[in-house]
Amino acid sequence: SQTIHQWPATLVQPVGSPLSLECTVEGTSNPNLYWYRQAAGRGLQLLFYSIGIDQISSEVPQNLSASRPQDRQFILSSKKLLLSDSGFYLCAWSVRGLAKNIQYFGAGTRLSVL
Amino acid sequence: AQTVTQSQPEMSVQEAETVTLSCTYDTSESDYYLFWYKQPPSRQMILVIRQEAYKQQNATENRFSVNFQKAAKSFSLKISDSQLGDAAMYFCAYRRLSNTGNQFYFGTGTSLTVIP
Repeated sequence: SQTIHQWPATLVQPVGSPLSLECTVEGTSNPNLYWYRQAAGRGLQLLFYSIGIDQISSEVPQNLSASRPQDRQFILSSKKLLLSDSGFYLCAWSVRGLAKNIQYFGAGTRLSVL
Repeated sequence: AQTVTQSQPEMSVQEAETVTLSCTYDTSESDYYLFWYKQPPSRQMILVIRQEAYKQQNATENRFSVNFQKAAKSFSLKISDSQLGDAAMYFCAYRRLSNTGNQFYFGTGTSLTVIP
């Protein structure tokens, strides 16, 4: 069966510090991968999605970046965090192609920038 | 551009009663997928139900069913025999039927409270 791991679960970082959130998927190959941010009391905002290694699309311009060094690894990064980067970050995956279109989510990372 | 609107920020229902959460979307596509996701306090996103736009029959999963009105671009979720464990944030989502566009578009969510 497929599983998605996301860590850390909780992170408190000072303004201006770097960020690295990691997400890995097991039990599947060539998944589509996604990073979302959920601000308090709001819906999900798609940040990045990837259809393959080093193939990443950014939905919203900001000081975050994403990388996919391996097929099932998706990393969300920042060189200098802003207060506005606080929120709940969710990684998700879906099967490549049209056969299945369900998106499966990780447990999320709660990021507090102080 | 595709947008998903959930006009009910909060809803409440008595235990064992039925509640309907509304969702509308805007698209120029003819084929697509629609989803309802549940996010309990644990924040884990859980798929509740999925509907293919080309199917006229409304999807059903146990106590959860949808009312899909394609012409009206409406996709409501009905929860029957509500249980305390149904209390959560519910998100409606849209996905294009395309290999080139893999984005899912989410609504802002409806917070459901189940009253014992």
